[in-house]
Amino acid sequence: GEDVEQSLFLSVREGDSSVINCTYTDSSSTYLYWYKQEPGAGLQLLTYIFSNMDMKQDQRLTVLLNKKDKHLSLRIADTQTGDSAIYFCAESTDKLIFGTGTRLQVFP
Amino acid sequence: DAGVIQSPRHEVTEMGQEVTLRCKPISGHDYLFWYRQTMMRGLELLIYFNNNVPIDDSGMPEDRFSAKMPNASFSTLKIQPSEPRDSAVYFCASTRGDGYTFGSGTRLTVV
Repeated sequence: GEDVEQSLFLSVREGDSSVINCTYTDSSSTYLYWYKQEPGAGLQLLTYIFSNMDMKQDQRLTVLLNKKDKHLSLRIADTQTGDSAIYFCAESTDKLIFGTGTRLQVFP
Repeated sequence: DAGVIQSPRHEVTEMGQEVTLRCKPISGHDYLFWYRQTMMRGLELLIYFNNNVPIDDSGMPEDRFSAKMPNASFSTLKIQPSEPRDSAVYFCASTRGDGYTFGSGTRLTVV
């Protein structure tokens, strides 16, 4: 069945890069997504990558996909305190299945 | 585009009462999803529709939960009777096949 796993916590210093990792099990996933959730708020789509791509860059965000290892990562360059949130990885075939979320804490 | 619209934003109800959550998807999106988020279980897919037809309701916890989509612009999730363990944030999302857009959610508290 589908399963998406993430580490629970990441703590980084402001200005450093953050790398959030995710592994998934369904090799037939068509798209893989990164969502951001701030406290008390909904889910904000950050970026997504089609399964036949290896990399996608969007301003400070870089997504890397290793389809062989079923590994997805999100790199945030020059991390700011406003980036503190929970980041969810998700895979989709006919539906969207979420990981547990990684809580990113950015300290000055 | 106003995005996915959910109502109410907050709902507090007594155990045993009926609760109805509402969702208006983005126009042109033919898929609609209902999710539930709790601290213990994270984000769970409850049910999804394609062209107003329920496709997969295997995530619906039990018979107390029901969902409908009478037309392309409206869906409801009903809990009857409600129980304290139903307390959660319920999200609706829609897509036309690539990016999924989520509503702001309904925070349900059953006391």
